[in-house]
Amino acid sequence: DVKVTQSSRYLVKRTGEKVFLECVQDMDHENMFWYRQDPGLGLRLIYFSYDVKMKEKGDIPEGYSVSREKKERFSLILESASTNQTSMYLCATWTSLGFADTQYFGPGTRLTVL
Amino acid sequence: QKEVEQNSGPLSVPEGAIASLNCTYSDRGSQSFFWYRQYSGKSPELIMSIYSNGDKEDGRFTAQLNKASQYVSLLIRDSQPSDSATYLCAVNPSGAGSYQLTFGKGTKLSVIP
Repeated sequence: DVKVTQSSRYLVKRTGEKVFLECVQDMDHENMFWYRQDPGLGLRLIYFSYDVKMKEKGDIPEGYSVSREKKERFSLILESASTNQTSMYLCATWTSLGFADTQYFGPGTRLTVL
Repeated sequence: QKEVEQNSGPLSVPEGAIASLNCTYSDRGSQSFFWYRQYSGKSPELIMSIYSNGDKEDGRFTAQLNKASQYVSLLIRDSQPSDSATYLCAVNPSGAGSYQLTFGKGTKLSVIP
């Protein structure tokens, strides 16, 4: 069974705080992704990683950074949280172990920045 | 820009009816196509994949692909209130070693009891 876990389901932070969102997958796959999802805007790719210590910017990387020190773990960092980063954050990994070769998602983190 | 377009809905169907969800894509070289279901406040869950022209059936779900028209659809037969969700169409675009997906913004389906 495909398993992707995220560190928190709900998170409330203050403007200016540094925020860490963690994602862990047990699929042993190189590719991991961070998206944010907002009403009317759909899923937007923030960053992805194709191997340990490797990362690529997605469509909306501004205000975010990422870390991939181990294959199974991909962290999203908000260096100085702002109210416009209030969103649902979704981590995904690619795997061939589900019923199709595609991306599988974690449960998501609903982040509110006050 | 590789795009995936879906009607945002909401699409309302009575219980027991067939729901038809449609998706068009711009990248003619795309090879893999997926439908995800997303309940409110939850993450997307894969429900169907299709790779070849034609129909693919799985239980009450049928995915249809027409590469010449760049069109993918999802039919849900005998719709149930539990099918009420947002359905995301996703396409694996062409390109070397691409593990990325391009997602549509989703169609919200409401099944009325």
